[in-house]
Amino acid sequence: DGGITQSPKYLFRKEGQNVTLSCEQNLNHDAMYWYRQDPGQGLRLIYYSQIVNDFQKGDIAEGYSVSREKKESFPLTVTSAQKNPTAFYLCASSRDRGATGELFFGEGSRLTVL
Amino acid sequence: GENVEQHPSTLSVQEGDSAVIKCTYSDSASNYFPWYKQELGKGPQLIIDIRSNVGEKKDQRIAVTLNKTAKHFSLHITETQPEDSAVYFCAASKSGGSNYKLTFGKGTLLTVNP
Repeated sequence: DGGITQSPKYLFRKEGQNVTLSCEQNLNHDAMYWYRQDPGQGLRLIYYSQIVNDFQKGDIAEGYSVSREKKESFPLTVTSAQKNPTAFYLCASSRDRGATGELFFGEGSRLTVL
Repeated sequence: GENVEQHPSTLSVQEGDSAVIKCTYSDSASNYFPWYKQELGKGPQLIIDIRSNVGEKKDQRIAVTLNKTAKHFSLHITETQPEDSAVYFCAASKSGGSNYKLTFGKGTLLTVNP
């Protein structure tokens, strides 16, 4: 089955700790994205990558970091500098590098900071 | 940058009735308008999209209309069924240049009552 796999599905973290969310795709897509979803806020773009070894900040990149060492993988690290990290995080990919094609989303990772 | 407003934030209908969700956008250069459906605990999934060279597109019980002059587009669901209950997001983007961003509305929670 082709798709986006996010792990873990649920994650708890103590304040001051970094945590890394995994995102893997086997769709052979060039572009990958990380979105944050908060109740009533829609989806906000954290980072995106159009090609391996390249990535760009989205609207709310502060306190987050990413890497794109392999086409299939785009992990997101939520650092201790992120002031309000409790949220639902969605990874997506698209065949097209522009923003005018279908996004394929994973099932999300819910991060709770205790 | 682009700003997408979506209304209503919640919508409750009886099974068999129609549902309409409306979005407005601010950037007249936007030319791609997708709609995503998100079921509880899952990632969003594309259900229909429209590009600026057409005014309406249908796919079985769902349709999207676009008014470029007024800068608004709408999702119409006819003969609603309980499985249509979900959160629906509209989005907008433009092709070309260095734009890789899809801007989402804040979502509409649709409840279809049996």
